[in-house]
Amino acid sequence: DQQVKQNSPSLSVQEGRISILNCDYTNSMFDYFLWYKKYPAEGPTFLISISSIKDKNEDGRFTVFLNKSAKHLSLHIVPSQPGDSAVYFCAASNYGGSQGNLIFGKGTKLSVKP
Amino acid sequence: EAGVAQSPRYKIIEKRQSVAFWCNPISGHATLYWYQQILGQGPKLLIQFQNNGVVDDSQLPKDRFSAERLKGVDSTLKIQPAKLEDSAVYLCASSWTSGNYNEQFFGPGTRLTVL
Repeated sequence: DQQVKQNSPSLSVQEGRISILNCDYTNSMFDYFLWYKKYPAEGPTFLISISSIKDKNEDGRFTVFLNKSAKHLSLHIVPSQPGDSAVYFCAASNYGGSQGNLIFGKGTKLSVKP
Repeated sequence: EAGVAQSPRYKIIEKRQSVAFWCNPISGHATLYWYQQILGQGPKLLIQFQNNGVVDDSQLPKDRFSAERLKGVDSTLKIQPAKLEDSAVYLCASSWTSGNYNEQFFGPGTRLTVL
C-alpha cells in the first residue's frame, strides 16, 4: 500500500519554462513533506521541504505547494534549467508521532531540454 | 564538511552468498539510516539508529539482514544469505538527530547485483 504516490514517472520540459511535479499522499498523519533530487550514481539530495502548517514554501527557483484537504503537494521549478534534469522524489513524515522516518514516492524523472 | 561515505560502490554476488556494506555518517550526526532502493522505486527504510541503539527496524528482513552501529559512528549492513530480490541500491543517510525536521543527508549508495 503506497502512502506516497508520484503518478508521473517522467516529465519533459523546455528550458526556461515551468516544471510542475506532483505528489499525492494517503496518510493524514503526515505533517512534514520533502522533495529530494537524485542524479545518476549519486544519493538523493535534499531540495526543499514544507510543514503541514504552511501551504507554500519558496526557495529561489523552487516552490512547494501543499493542499492538505486534497492530500496533494506539488513542486514548481521556474525557470527550468538543463541542470535540473534528475529524478525527483517526494517524501513524507510524521514527525509529531514518530522518529522522523521518511516515506518516499517512486520518483519522477524530469528532463529539461535546451 | 565531508559527506556520508559508503563502500563498496558496487558489488556482484551469487545468490546464497553473504555481503556486507559499510557506512560512515557525517561527523556529529547521531542518527543513521539504511534504505533499500529497488529499481523504479523510492528508497525504503530498513533500519534507523540513534547513536548505537536501534530506533526502528520494523521493515528489516531479520532472517537474512542484520545491521550494527557499535560505537555510535560507523555502521555495517549485512545480508546472509542473499536472494535475487535483494538486488538494489543500498543507501545510508544520517542526520543530526531524529525528528524535529532534521534533514537527512544521503551517501552515494552501494549497488548490489545478486545473480
